[in-house]
Amino acid sequence: DADVTQTPRNRITKTGKRIMLECSQTKGHDRMYWYRQDPGLGLRLIYYSFDVKDINKGEISDGYSVSRQAQAKFSLSLESAIPNQTALYFCATSDFQSRTDTQYFGPGTRLTVL
Amino acid sequence: AQKITQTQPGMFVQEKEAVTLDCTYDTSDPSYGLFWYKQPSSGEMIFLIYQGSYDQQNATEGRYSLNFQKARKSANLVISASQLGDSAMYFCAMRVYASYGKLTFGQGTILTVHP
Repeated sequence: DADVTQTPRNRITKTGKRIMLECSQTKGHDRMYWYRQDPGLGLRLIYYSFDVKDINKGEISDGYSVSRQAQAKFSLSLESAIPNQTALYFCATSDFQSRTDTQYFGPGTRLTVL
Repeated sequence: AQKITQTQPGMFVQEKEAVTLDCTYDTSDPSYGLFWYKQPSSGEMIFLIYQGSYDQQNATEGRYSLNFQKARKSANLVISASQLGDSAMYFCAMRVYASYGKLTFGQGTILTVHP
């Protein structure tokens, strides 16, 4: 089984709808992140969480919110989806105790907002 | 602010040959980490290799090695003995440890391996 899972893998929605993307991990990592990737570009950070009670905005948090329900679960919500939120969304985790704090990514959720 | 530059939008290599993907970075922080990720056409992001700013030796992981030249602020990825399955997008990324853990990504390089 994958260490970092994301649901759904693909989602098509309409402008104005509220949607939630979910991320779960079995790696036991304390840190979790949400990124988005636009076509032909690198990833940009939306939100990050260092533990259940610590949630912080990244560089592009407007229009998004998150919830860290447990150490292993981190959800991203689009309160009112708009077409320019069409992107590939990645969840990632890392272990602060490790020497490198490498981020490991989930398989991604491809979101289309019509 | 941190910046990663990958100047090669696309690279081609013959199967079984070596290829170097370029990455330069900019930061004023002395403590940072450099990462390379592979993104196949299926979309997932796969971690390949890490180099810390204080590491004395260049990192190696199987067929991947990182040519780290600190004074020139470059961290090029070398893939030896290329395979068809190496065809993918490759991203260089940096994390400054004084920050909150954010990875700054480059624009990526598309590598195509020809048989």
